[in-house]
Parts: sequence; C-alpha cells; structure tokens
Amino acid sequence: SQELEQSPQSLIVQEGKNLTINCTSSKTLYGLYWYKQKYGEGLIFLMMLQKGGEEKSHEKITAKLDEKKQQSSLHITASQPSHAGIYLCGADGGNQFYFGTGTSLTVIP
Amino acid sequence: GAGVSQSPSNKVTEKGKDVELRCDPISGHTALYWYRQSLGQGLEFLIYFQGNSAPDKSGLPSDRFSAERTGGSVSTLTIQRTQQEDSAVYLCASSLADRGLIKTFGSGTRLTVV
Repeated sequence: SQELEQSPQSLIVQEGKNLTINCTSSKTLYGLYWYKQKYGEGLIFLMMLQKGGEEKSHEKITAKLDEKKQQSSLHITASQPSHAGIYLCGADGGNQFYFGTGTSLTVIP
Repeated sequence: GAGVSQSPSNKVTEKGKDVELRCDPISGHTALYWYRQSLGQGLEFLIYFQGNSAPDKSGLPSDRFSAERTGGSVSTLTIQRTQQEDSAVYLCASSLADRGLIKTFGSGTRLTVV
C-alpha cells in the first residue's frame, strides 16, 4: 500500500506569515491532490499535480510536485485566518486512493 | 475496526449492470459520508448519514444512485444500470461528530464500467 506522510502535523502561524506543508509518499506519485477541510465542513479540492516538477497556484496557495514525484509541498503566502483548517494530500495509487496524515493550520489574527 | 474499511477495492462491471459498494466505518462513528473521485477532479459529495436521522442525499447525481446504512453502522452504496461516466473511485469516510471534522477515510473502491 502507499503511505503519505505529512509534515508538520500542526502549524500555528501569525497572520501575514508564509508557511509550507509537505507531503511525502512511500511510492512514486502518479497524481497528487491537495484538499482543504474547514472545520465543520467537507473537503475542498485545491489542486492536482501530475507531472514531475509541476507547480500550480490557486490564489495565495502554491503547490509543487518534485521531479522524482515522491514529494509535494504546499506553500501559503501571507496567510489569512481564512486559510485555517486541515490540509490533506491525496494520491491516486491505481486501485486505491490514499490520503495523507493531515496538517492542521491555525492562523492567529 | 481500526479504520474505515471499503469493499471491494476494485470492481469492473459491464455497462447496465448494478453494483453494490460497501463501507464499514469505525465503530462508534455516527457520521458517514460517501464521495466520488473522478480522474483529475475533486471529491464529489454524494450522501451523508448521521445517526438515525434522514440522510442528506443532495449529492446523489441521479436516481440510479442510492445508499443505505443499516443499524447505524455498515453502509451500502448501490448504483443501478451503471454507465461509463460512473467510473470513479468511491470513497467513504466516518467521523464522531455531526458534520464535524472528517477524521478517517477508507481507501476507496475503484469502479470501472466497461
């Protein structure tokens, strides 16, 4: 099976600060998804990366998939309280779909 | 069990056939969700069960889709007269709280309609 390890598990930042969340896979990633879950709500799809070296942005959130396709990073620039929530990476492993361990983000105004 | 269990993990079916997908949530989790993940797209909410309340079926894409949850535990998602566009990974999740933090997802059932 495929394992996705996210780091850090929990992050508390001051509003306006930049931050990075990492997702490391035990196997080559053929499709890496980033989701955000706001407290009390369902998952929100952020973006999907497929190609090694690919980088995508959505508003102030940028995600990259490394060349070896085993790690992805999610970077938030100038964080806002609206960025708070749980960030999950997900991977399409062929027959299965795997989720990362999750990163809880708190943004202090 | 220790996690959310889904079966089968992989299902290939002929167009027009009915399929049943099973989700066994974590014991004690009162909330259960079904999602669909199509290639390159985000998770699509299908249906939500909370305890003994009437389920929220607002995400079911057509009347060919239905779901049951027996005894507040195991859930079955049924797709009748499958179409090729039904091909996707179907994910189940469960949590303790009512529409609260989704803590645990199953590993999904990959459905391929040929």
